[in-house]
Amino acid sequence: GQQVMQIPQYQHVQEGEDFTTYCNSSTTLSNIQWYKQRPGGHPVFLIQLVKSGEVKKQKRLTFQFGEAKKNSSLHITATQTTDVGTYFCAEGADGLTFGKGTHLIIQP
Amino acid sequence: NAGVTQTPKFQVLKTGQSMTLQCAQDMNHEYMSWYRQDPGMGLRLIHYSVGAGITDQGEVPNGYNVSRSTTEDFPLRLLSAAPSQTSVYFCASSRQGSGGYTFGSGTRLTVV
Repeated sequence: GQQVMQIPQYQHVQEGEDFTTYCNSSTTLSNIQWYKQRPGGHPVFLIQLVKSGEVKKQKRLTFQFGEAKKNSSLHITATQTTDVGTYFCAEGADGLTFGKGTHLIIQP
Repeated sequence: NAGVTQTPKFQVLKTGQSMTLQCAQDMNHEYMSWYRQDPGMGLRLIHYSVGAGITDQGEVPNGYNVSRSTTEDFPLRLLSAAPSQTSVYFCASSRQGSGGYTFGSGTRLTVV
């Protein structure tokens, strides 16, 4: 089945620094979705990208879908303590294939 | 709306016991799916359904059964629990074509 590789596994940043997580696939993705999971919580849907080269923004979060639809990124500008959690990319429609996630750890 | 409701929140089973994890949604979503989450492994798809009466296997279906007799409910059955099934289980639902899934709060299962 489709495999989605996500890096890095962990990212430590100082509060106020930027953060980026990347997802890559060896095959063309039909779509890419991004989820956030707070410690002890459940995944929460952030956004879906469908079109080649698509860029979407949500306040300090910027999501990109590559031109070849084989990679995607999530960038957070000026991290805040509320951004702590694990960010997952996922692909699919009937059921999702998830990347292993990037744990964002923020040091005040 | 309650969203996606999973019960129980916690469960301890002995090896060989069977049980059913319940999942219900009140959003009239066609798509429903079950995932397990293990440390370092992300979320892995167990079974999914695109509508009442239709189910299919995901990445890790062995040891689990599902049925979808109504749009609202999608129970996950463990036939004979094994320690390898110790995990956190999430149920999720989505409206067809909408993209994003709504997740339940999860069931933490320990098999001893």
